[in-house]
Amino acid sequence: DTGVSQDPRHKITKRGQNVTFRCDPISEHNRLYWYRQTLGQGPEFLTYFQNEAQLEKSRLLSDRFSAERPKGSFSTLEIQRTEQGDSAMYLCASSPGTVSNQPQHFGDGTRLSIL
Amino acid sequence: QKEVEQNSGPLSVPEGAIASLNCTYSDRGSQSFFWYRQYSGKSPELIMFIYSNGDKEDGRFTAQLNKASQYVSLLIRDSQPSDSATYLCAVNLNSGAQKLVFGQGTRLTINP
Repeated sequence: DTGVSQDPRHKITKRGQNVTFRCDPISEHNRLYWYRQTLGQGPEFLTYFQNEAQLEKSRLLSDRFSAERPKGSFSTLEIQRTEQGDSAMYLCASSPGTVSNQPQHFGDGTRLSIL
Repeated sequence: QKEVEQNSGPLSVPEGAIASLNCTYSDRGSQSFFWYRQYSGKSPELIMFIYSNGDKEDGRFTAQLNKASQYVSLLIRDSQPSDSATYLCAVNLNSGAQKLVFGQGTRLTINP
């Protein structure tokens, strides 16, 4: 049973550029979550998918952020026109969808640095 | 009031002692509670979850839940230097949503 896989592990980009991250959940997990974590803080929820449907979005997810899960398997998170404040660790998690409130398992994250 | 609160520490415990980590939450109707361990520069790793009042034990770890007091704790027995990490408390609030709300984490150091 492979874990949640995220790519890339690190991304360094200049302010104003667009970036895209990918997440592959644990096989057969139909719930997928994106979180953002800054230094010294706990992860903050960004958005959640049940299969291909995006069911919940945080107010943190400005219009520069978009997430997709087109076939209900992997997901992408895109940030357009990056800003300094977007520097953070972006974490993906997945859980089974059979029962609510199942534990979420995290990937290794993508660390984004904006120059 | 924050939705999930933890003492940020650092908490320093001698090797072999019991480490006690605490967490309070604001939503009385919350149903699911999780403890994650996070090493520096790494992602959170699930170590315990608890849904019912009382204690739940798994190896050296015990999670304790008191819904009346809106309090959840994690005990680590026979602490080892490898337990040194930040421990994150996470709660699935009673809002019908699936998201987890995290505390800021408690940094634990086990001294040899």
